Amino acid sequence: GENVEQHPSTLSVQEGDSAVIKCTYSDSASNYFPWYKQELGKRPQLIIDIRSNVGEKKDQRIAVTLNKTAKHFSLHITETQPEDSAVYFCAASKSWAGANSKLTFGKGITLSVRP
Amino acid sequence: SAVISQKPSRDICQRGTSLTIQCQVDSQVTMMFWYRQQPGQSLTLIATANQGSEATYESGFVIDKFPISRPNLTFSTLTVSNLSPEDSSIYLCSFSGVGTEAFFGQGTRLTVV
Repeated sequence: GENVEQHPSTLSVQEGDSAVIKCTYSDSASNYFPWYKQELGKRPQLIIDIRSNVGEKKDQRIAVTLNKTAKHFSLHITETQPEDSAVYFCAASKSWAGANSKLTFGKGITLSVRP
Repeated sequence: SAVISQKPSRDICQRGTSLTIQCQVDSQVTMMFWYRQQPGQSLTLIATANQGSEATYESGFVIDKFPISRPNLTFSTLTVSNLSPEDSSIYLCSFSGVGTEAFFGQGTRLTVV
């Protein structure tokens, strides 16, 4: 089955700096890669996703890049703010649209943004 | 956006008892998913619930321990049976629509004493 590795496990940055979180996946059939943010005591919320037909996607301060050959994808957060502090999970799925297909999650990274 | 309601939000249960968690979606969805999130850990898929058929369980999870019902396209339940302290965890239901993100319920925090 799919295996998603996420690293590092913790990341601390100064407010205003950039943060990069990397994930690798094992199954070349995976074609949908979402990123979730989970604040303490709350449910995971999608922040950005990418499908295998594109190499990069950006939404304001957040961007995701995908390298299908190397089977890795990364989350980039620019101009970090204290409210970006949370646990971030990457995931992979074999469903193009993410529908009706299970997600395999990475272990998560705790991002701390120092004011 | 779709609304998914999960209850209870938390419970404290005695060893050997069972807890049933309910998940209600405000639109019809083909598949629903049940995840477990142990303290400080990632989300692990327990099973996929299809309406009208038996749930499909992931390796390490069995129907006797985690029976699932899916009586219609908007509702599902997960029961955690014969509880032990190792079952203390957060349980989340989830679904995704065609072309949309996966939505999660607010989670059920289970503590077994």
